[in-house]
Amino acid sequence: DGGITQSPKYLFRKEGQNVTLSCEQNLNHDAMYWYRQDPGQGLRLIYYSQIVNDFQKGDIAEGYSVSREKKESFPLTVTSAQKNPTAFYLCASKGTGAGTGELFFGEGSRLTVL
Amino acid sequence: AQRVTQPEKLLSVFKGAPVELKCNYSYSGSPELFWYVQYSRQRLQLLLRHISRESIKGFTADLNKGETSFHLKKPFAQEEDSAMYYCALSGGSNYKLTFGKGTLLTVNP
Repeated sequence: DGGITQSPKYLFRKEGQNVTLSCEQNLNHDAMYWYRQDPGQGLRLIYYSQIVNDFQKGDIAEGYSVSREKKESFPLTVTSAQKNPTAFYLCASKGTGAGTGELFFGEGSRLTVL
Repeated sequence: AQRVTQPEKLLSVFKGAPVELKCNYSYSGSPELFWYVQYSRQRLQLLLRHISRESIKGFTADLNKGETSFHLKKPFAQEEDSAMYYCALSGGSNYKLTFGKGTLLTVNP
């Protein structure tokens, strides 16, 4: 079953703790993305990676970190420096090259900071 | 910088009425424009892209470079069209995909 898998679906965290969200894809896509979805804010880009061992900051990278050690995996760490971490996080991937603009999304992870 | 503006947060129409979801963009180069849709309890998915110039589920969208717009249109709305719609822009080779804030479309019976 091909696609993107995010885990966990729901996560609770105490203030001051770091938490890592998992994103795995078996679509053989080079590019992967992390977005944050808040009501009334749409999707805002946190980080993206065009290829293994490379990634770029998106529009709201502060308080987040990522790694891209494997093509299939793009984990996102929400650090204690992120001021408003409670949100719905979406991971996506896409192929590269002409005519491959479609993003494929995971089901999302909802993080709640208590 | 690339930016996408969807001026309407909410749009409500009756079944059978025409619907137009507005999208304006800002980008200095040649953009790729997309419409994504999120139905209730489903994943966000691609609806259509300007390059293919296709009609999906009766929806069409034309890129107007003069007005920097990519409005989504359907002549006769159906109840199953009720969803959140996002306009998105890709700035060519930089792989960065920017989304608008979305428009929640409700089609009433």
